[in-house]
Amino acid sequence: DGGITQSPKYLFRKEGQNVTLSCEQNLNHDAMYWYRQDPGQGLRLIYYSQIVNDFQKGDIAEGYSVSREKKESFPLTVTSAQKNPTAFYLCASSIDRANYGYTFGSGTRLTVV
Amino acid sequence: GESVGLHLPTLSVQEGDNSIINCAYSNSASDYFIWYKQESGKGPQFIIDIRSNMDKRQGQRVTVLLNKTVKHLSLQIAATQPGDSAVYFCAENIDSGGYQKVTFGTGTKLQVIP
Repeated sequence: DGGITQSPKYLFRKEGQNVTLSCEQNLNHDAMYWYRQDPGQGLRLIYYSQIVNDFQKGDIAEGYSVSREKKESFPLTVTSAQKNPTAFYLCASSIDRANYGYTFGSGTRLTVV
Repeated sequence: GESVGLHLPTLSVQEGDNSIINCAYSNSASDYFIWYKQESGKGPQFIIDIRSNMDKRQGQRVTVLLNKTVKHLSLQIAATQPGDSAVYFCAENIDSGGYQKVTFGTGTKLQVIP
């Protein structure tokens, strides 16, 4: 079955640590996205990538970094510069940036301990 | 700035009744809208969509209504079932030079009472 896989489901980070969230898709989609979800707020775009080896900052990119070395993979690193990283992180993909249809992963809940 | 929002944060409905979830949007240039369902601890799932040149679209047990005059979107769920319990949110899309800019609403939690 085609889809998006995010791992891990739960992640704990100590103060000052960098952590990387995995996102893999086998849908052959060109575009991939990372969103952050906080209670009482809509999804906010962190980074997006339209094609391999290219990515763009979203609305809240500070404290995050990404890479897109393979079409299937779009990992997100939450760096120590992100002051409030505790949140639910969602990865999504679409055929391309001009396409409306998003497929979402099941999310990773990151907690700072 | 432009925003998408919901009127009610929580909606409790008796099993078997119809549910109506509302969404207000402020950008008149939005040309496409989607309703998503998100169960606890999971990613959002597509429910139904509607383009701005339509005012109503029906799916299986769900109907989306679009009122462009007052910039209002609603999701109607017929014969609500316990499995419908989830957070529902709308998203508006704007064609920004060939690319889609998506803005998500904050969500309404639907609680189905057995």
